[in-house]
Amino acid sequence: DTAVSQTPKYLVTQMGNDKSIKCEQNLGHDTMYWYKQDSKKFLKIMFSYNNKELIINETVPNRFSPKSPDKAHLNLHINSLELGDSAVYFCASTPEGGDTQYFGPGTRLTVL
Amino acid sequence: AQSVTQLGSHVSVSEGALVLLRCNYSSSVPPYLFWYVQYPNQGLQLLLKYTSAATLVKGINGFEAEFKKSETSFHLTKPSAHMSDAAEYFCAVSPAPYGQNFVFGPGTRLSVLP
Repeated sequence: DTAVSQTPKYLVTQMGNDKSIKCEQNLGHDTMYWYKQDSKKFLKIMFSYNNKELIINETVPNRFSPKSPDKAHLNLHINSLELGDSAVYFCASTPEGGDTQYFGPGTRLTVL
Repeated sequence: AQSVTQLGSHVSVSEGALVLLRCNYSSSVPPYLFWYVQYPNQGLQLLLKYTSAATLVKGINGFEAEFKKSETSFHLTKPSAHMSDAAEYFCAVSPAPYGQNFVFGPGTRLSVLP
């Protein structure tokens, strides 16, 4: 069973398009995250979200928005894609009070 | 605020040799420290963590790390490298055991030479 899954695994799109990446966790965790990993492998947290609050990294452009239809899902919507958005995006989750993050396999986004 | 530095973006060792990956942190509160490994084209996987218990922490795949408060370090070691250890390794710091404020280091790529 896949604990944290992401779809799609690869996403190639044109500048200016709007796209979404889906994340689902079947671990019963309360908090989910989105990370961006750039071409130099540097990981930066974008959002953390549980059913109580959304915490946004202030450096993330407002073209990026997380949407959580339920506790097990945290999707990432990106509007007006730019070349600099090309990266690998990772979803992760932690249980309530937990200290270990469980990562999904990543989605490689390429903006042409 | 927390921050993490990892000395050496790329480390090469021979198979069977000692692995030492360095991590130094800064934190305004007692830190929780983690090492994650990322194999090619995969997500991150927890290797080990320090959460204010024993300062020498043992993880999976024969890795261990020692928390040294005086040196603000949490270096990762393994006595004998295997080819399968080749991966990217990330050190991370968090101000709390529940990780909404993880800060990852820039990563160190480990190559293992035959």
